[in-house]
Amino acid sequence: GESVGLHLPTLSVQEGDNSIINCAYSNSASDYFIWYKQESGKGPQFIIDIRSNMDKRQGQRVTVLLNKTVKHLSLQIAATQPGDSAVYFCAENLSGYSTLTFGKGTMLLVSP
Amino acid sequence: DAGVTQSPTHLIKTRGQHVTLRCSPISGHKSVSWYQQVLGQGPQFIFQYYEKEERGRGNFPDRFSARQFPNYSSELNVNALLLGDSALYLCASSRGHLLPEAFFGQGTRLTVV
Repeated sequence: GESVGLHLPTLSVQEGDNSIINCAYSNSASDYFIWYKQESGKGPQFIIDIRSNMDKRQGQRVTVLLNKTVKHLSLQIAATQPGDSAVYFCAENLSGYSTLTFGKGTMLLVSP
Repeated sequence: DAGVTQSPTHLIKTRGQHVTLRCSPISGHKSVSWYQQVLGQGPQFIFQYYEKEERGRGNFPDRFSARQFPNYSSELNVNALLLGDSALYLCASSRGHLLPEAFFGQGTRLTVV
């Protein structure tokens, strides 16, 4: 089975709310993680990444949290906008390997 | 600066046919990876090429092959197409073969009928 998965397949929020998208990974050797946003008909867009020597990283309106103890990753989006509506994937990478392993994704729906 | 470009954007093929998909990486990126994304799922790794050599292969049959050219562009070839090969084929580029920060193109939507 896949080593990366998401708890919630669909998340519906109101515009202006904060969104939290969760991801569980099973391989404790993974040391690099990326969040991607994929809009309909487009390829995945790099949002933010984090390495296993960190537990938090912030970008513009986004924050990624990594909890290695429970092998959990989350993406927080502040002041969610309708343009944030998309499918969000987390992906993991094993040190020394070039491949990314993706989970199934969470669809974020933002209502005006 | 151009991002990852893929061609064609859409393609319809018949079972048993062959298909070639093309990818140009971001300028300065030497590694190209191919992923297959079936509807409703996350991308699945097919191949990685770096400096014209295969550096990684996912769990795909031998009908799938790829190559990388001196300008770092790449082709993905699929022979004897099956209905199950219908998917979005994504190309991702990165600076090096062990640098996992990957940037994706818009993909090629392949439909096999």
